[in-house]
Amino acid sequence: QKEVEQNSGPLSVPEGAIASLNCTYSDRGSQSFFWYRQYSGKSPELIMSIYSNGDKEDGRFTAQLNKASQYVSLLIRDSQPSDSATYLCAVNVLSGGGADGLTFGKGTHLIIQP
Amino acid sequence: DGGITQSPKYLFRKEGQNVTLSCEQNLNHDAMYWYRQDPGQGLRLIYYSQIVNDFQKGDIAEGYSVSREKKESFPLTVTSAQKNPTAFYLCASSVQGWNTEAFFGQGTRLTVV
Repeated sequence: QKEVEQNSGPLSVPEGAIASLNCTYSDRGSQSFFWYRQYSGKSPELIMSIYSNGDKEDGRFTAQLNKASQYVSLLIRDSQPSDSATYLCAVNVLSGGGADGLTFGKGTHLIIQP
Repeated sequence: DGGITQSPKYLFRKEGQNVTLSCEQNLNHDAMYWYRQDPGQGLRLIYYSQIVNDFQKGDIAEGYSVSREKKESFPLTVTSAQKNPTAFYLCASSVQGWNTEAFFGQGTRLTVV
């Protein structure tokens, strides 16, 4: 059974600080890792993808992957009130080389305090 | 403008009725997916399709049906056999391959009345 675990929060961070979101996954065969942002009542929006161990930076966002520890994280630098949302961690385990869908965590609710 | 279009945005269903949710994409993606989201929950996979005329059950397929007659379209029917259909339904698509970034439509909120 594929499982993706996230702390549901809420995680409260002051404006301008670094927000750190964490995710663990159970399937060692996981190949691809994604972070989605979801505002209340809206659909998820892809913000980061990461496929190999280490860090990947894109603007204020940094994704970190450690396959040995089965751990992926998202750092948001210089947090803004507009970053307040639920962040979903998603993991893909390939089967037969095809795309058989992502397994999602339940999400972490992030609140940026002005 | 490339993207994924779901319709309708809101849908109300009476007990015992079947309803069909539409999902169309113009991204030329091979793979399409249907997810369900309940309040405070993550997304759960209902059905997915990697290629036209082929689809597979996801984790919670009971009470749902799909078809994939065209690459662009992947409609979902919520049947009367689905015991608790009230939820937020999300359609997504992706290219094939190992780096399967999936992109979502705006969702359909289904309520049973």
